[in-house]
Amino acid sequence: DSGVTQTPKHLITATGQRVTLRCSPRSGDLSVYWYQQSLDQGLQFLIQYYNGEERAKGNILERFSAQQFPDLHSELNLSSLELGDSALYFCASGWEGSTTNEKLFFGSGTQLSVL
Amino acid sequence: QQQVKQSPQSLIVQKGGISIINCAYENTAFDYFPWYQQFPGKGPALLIAIRPDVSEKKEGRFTISFNKSAKQFSLHIMDSQPGDSATYFCAASRTGGTSYGKLTFGQGTILTVHP
Repeated sequence: DSGVTQTPKHLITATGQRVTLRCSPRSGDLSVYWYQQSLDQGLQFLIQYYNGEERAKGNILERFSAQQFPDLHSELNLSSLELGDSALYFCASGWEGSTTNEKLFFGSGTQLSVL
Repeated sequence: QQQVKQSPQSLIVQKGGISIINCAYENTAFDYFPWYQQFPGKGPALLIAIRPDVSEKKEGRFTISFNKSAKQFSLHIMDSQPGDSATYFCAASRTGGTSYGKLTFGQGTILTVHP
């Protein structure tokens, strides 16, 4: 168990809809990262939050947004969903202050199916 | 310049054999090279990582070999076991600042170890 909790595990929705994916990081980790895993694109970095502030952006669509709350949990909001958004969405957490930095702990993911 | 190319896509090895997975990167600014292991239904988990100041790192049956001039690195799994059957991802990133945790992943290798 990585200590990172993601809910829900599965999500089935229709095109055009909006969904919210939730992530609780490991205790003590200030950073939350969102990754998308799909068959054609592989594992891709979407966005990072550090202690409530957006830190870095990757290949995240404008229809997607995220936030990190004061209790450090994070939510990834996906809107105007398209068939191509179907993927496994992972949240990871880490602590930048470690001397063995960049050890990310991944949750088990949310499988999103857009029908 | 952000790509990490991984090969082979799939690998079948007999129990006790050596599994070798190769990766090549383009961005010379990358200075952190981890390998992640992913079992079905789980998120990726850090297996072993290396920085460019060393050419090899060994942890148990797992060894990373790193060739800075060729911009290549590989994972060797000695005495492969059926429990090693999983998908393996190489990754690369720049350390520090906003690059922390922003991993660029290879496409993954599905390893099957036959008993």
